[in-house]
Amino acid sequence: DVKVTQSSRYLVKRTGEKVFLECVQDMDHENMFWYRQDPGLGLRLIYFSYDVKMKEKGDIPEGYSVSREKKERFSLILESASTNQTSMYLCASSSSYGPGGYTFGSGTRLTVV
Amino acid sequence: ILNVEQSPQSLHVQEGDSTNFTCSFPSSNFYALHWYRWETAKSPEALFVMTLNGDEKKKGRISATLNTKEGYSYLYIKGSQPEDSATYLCAFFHDYKLSFGAGTTVTVRA
Repeated sequence: DVKVTQSSRYLVKRTGEKVFLECVQDMDHENMFWYRQDPGLGLRLIYFSYDVKMKEKGDIPEGYSVSREKKERFSLILESASTNQTSMYLCASSSSYGPGGYTFGSGTRLTVV
Repeated sequence: ILNVEQSPQSLHVQEGDSTNFTCSFPSSNFYALHWYRWETAKSPEALFVMTLNGDEKKKGRISATLNTKEGYSYLYIKGSQPEDSATYLCAFFHDYKLSFGAGTTVTVRA
């Protein structure tokens, strides 16, 4: 019954590495989002996409990029990981039709050492 | 970045007691307010999507009210149970995306 799948639950990477976080949804949703969650700050939007090959910056895009080559897949890329990118990363998707809520993945806890 | 505030940050409730907490959001250009429940080690789960002033939604023992004119929403839990322990997030829908509050973490003591 899994609808939004994130490729890793836990990830440890070294400073300076290029990191890929993958997200796949099977609901044919048009919209996909990447958030990060830090204690006391809530979910903050990094990037989102309304369609294949489309991307829009969220509130905190610096140090990140994204890729959406297929409708079902939305990848978050940390070009050169830094310790301040240690966080929980959540992917979500939603339909453009109707006022439905977001469907979230289970999250990837990334630690950059 | 829109300011969505939730209070309190955390609360402890005795099993069987009822509780409520608040989400404040900008009162202008309202489109929708979402509530989510996020249990430890699980994905955030949508509870309610509220779009009309005066809206009241209910799901089991959990209900929510909405006042768009003054920019607040209340979430109520009636007769709290241990399985209600979670972080409850509200989110304001604007410019085709959601801005989240920091959440209210509820711990229900048996």
